[in-house]
Amino acid sequence: GNSVTQMEGPVTLSEEAFLTINCTYTATGYPSLFWYVQYPGEGLQLLLKATKADDKGSNKGFEATYRKETTSFHLEKGSVQVSDSAVYFCALLPRNAGNMLTFGGGTRLMVKP
Amino acid sequence: SAVISQKPSRDICQRGTSLTIQCQVDSQVTMMFWYRQQPGQSLTLIATANQGSEATYESGFVIDKFPISRPNLTFSTLTVSNMSPEDSSIYLCSVEDLDRVGTEAFFGQGTRLTVV
Repeated sequence: GNSVTQMEGPVTLSEEAFLTINCTYTATGYPSLFWYVQYPGEGLQLLLKATKADDKGSNKGFEATYRKETTSFHLEKGSVQVSDSAVYFCALLPRNAGNMLTFGGGTRLMVKP
Repeated sequence: SAVISQKPSRDICQRGTSLTIQCQVDSQVTMMFWYRQQPGQSLTLIATANQGSEATYESGFVIDKFPISRPNLTFSTLTVSNMSPEDSSIYLCSVEDLDRVGTEAFFGQGTRLTVV
C-alpha cells in the first residue's frame, strides 16, 4: 500500500533560520507529491506540488524536489519567518483516478522571533 | 481548478445530537472524499462519495455513524450522528480534478466541530 513518513515535530526555529522537513514515501508507480500547510485555526492549503521525478515545486520561498531514487520530497526554506508557524503535511496522490490522498503525520513548525 | 465551499465552518454541538456538513463544488466532479482530522493528528479518510451510488467507507467508519449523501455532481453532505466528545475534529471534503487525474486534489476550508 501507499504510505508517507515525515519527521516528527515540533520543529522550533529562530526567525531567518534554514528549514528542512523530511518526507519519504512508499507507493506503486509514480504518484504526484504534495506539501499542504495548515495555519492555526484554518483549513488545509496546498503549498506546493510535483507531479514527476526531478520536478521542483516552489511557493512562498518553500521548495521541494521529487526524488524518485530516494523516494523523498523534503521541504526546505532558506529563511523562515514567524508567519510560517503552522503544521505541514506531506502527501501523495496515485496516478489512477479514484484514489485518495495519503497523508503523512504532519510536522508542527514553530518559528520564534 | 475547483473551488469548494464547506458549511458550517465551525460548530459547537451537544452530545447525542447530529450535525450535517455541506460541501459545494463550483464544477462537476465524480469523486468526493470526506476526511477527519482529530486534534493534533493527520487526516484520515472517512469515505469516498460517488454520485448515484452508496458511499464507500474506510475501515473504522460506518454508514450509521457517518451517513453521506451525494445527490448530484457538485454537492455532498456528511452527517456526524449521535455525537460524542470523541467526534470533536475538523472534517474536510476534497475533490479530485479529473481533467488532471493524479495531479491535483482540492480541499474545502474544513468544519471545526466541538462536541460538549
